[in-house]
Amino acid sequence: KQEVTQIPAALSVPEGENLVLNCSFTDSAIYNLQWFRQDPGKGLTSLLLIQSSQREQTSGRLNASLDKSSGRSTLYIAASQPGDSATYLCAVRAYSGNTPLVFGKGTRLSVIA
Amino acid sequence: EAGVAQSPRYKIIEKRQSVAFWCNPISGHATLYWYQQILGQGPKLLIQFQNNGVVDDSQLPKDRFSAERLKGVDSTLKIQPAKLEDSAVYLCASSPVQGRSQPQHFGDGTRLSIL
Repeated sequence: KQEVTQIPAALSVPEGENLVLNCSFTDSAIYNLQWFRQDPGKGLTSLLLIQSSQREQTSGRLNASLDKSSGRSTLYIAASQPGDSATYLCAVRAYSGNTPLVFGKGTRLSVIA
Repeated sequence: EAGVAQSPRYKIIEKRQSVAFWCNPISGHATLYWYQQILGQGPKLLIQFQNNGVVDDSQLPKDRFSAERLKGVDSTLKIQPAKLEDSAVYLCASSPVQGRSQPQHFGDGTRLSIL
């Protein structure tokens, strides 16, 4: 059974810092991995999707990497801003069958002005 | 493009009562998902529809939960009777077609509190 772990559970940084969020998964046979953002009281917004054949994806100040063999992904946020404060969730989809996304519990990020 | 619409935003009921949630996906999206998100956890898929057919309901507690998607557009999720452990946010998502590489678009959810 696939399990997704996100470390740390919470993180507080001063504005302008670069930061890394970590995601690990137990079964490396994945089809893709997604990073989502969730603001309080809101649904999820997809940030980046990495296919299993890819090593990284970039969008603006965000960069996500994938090391499938070691079961790890990182989300790098450059020059953090108070508006980046939110919970960041990692989710993986298995390679075989019509399997659902399996989510981690998320990392709650606070960027202090 | 209008997003995924859900109602109500909040619902408070007593245990053993029944409750229903409504979801209107993005226009033209064939695939619809219902997720349960317990406080401090990631979302867990309850049921997935492709048009008006069920693709995956393996994690739906069928003794108390039911869902339908008549005409392949709007969907309702019902809980009857509710238990204390059903307190959670219920999220609806949709995607253009069935496929593991398709991004899912989420609504803001319905926050359910059971007293």
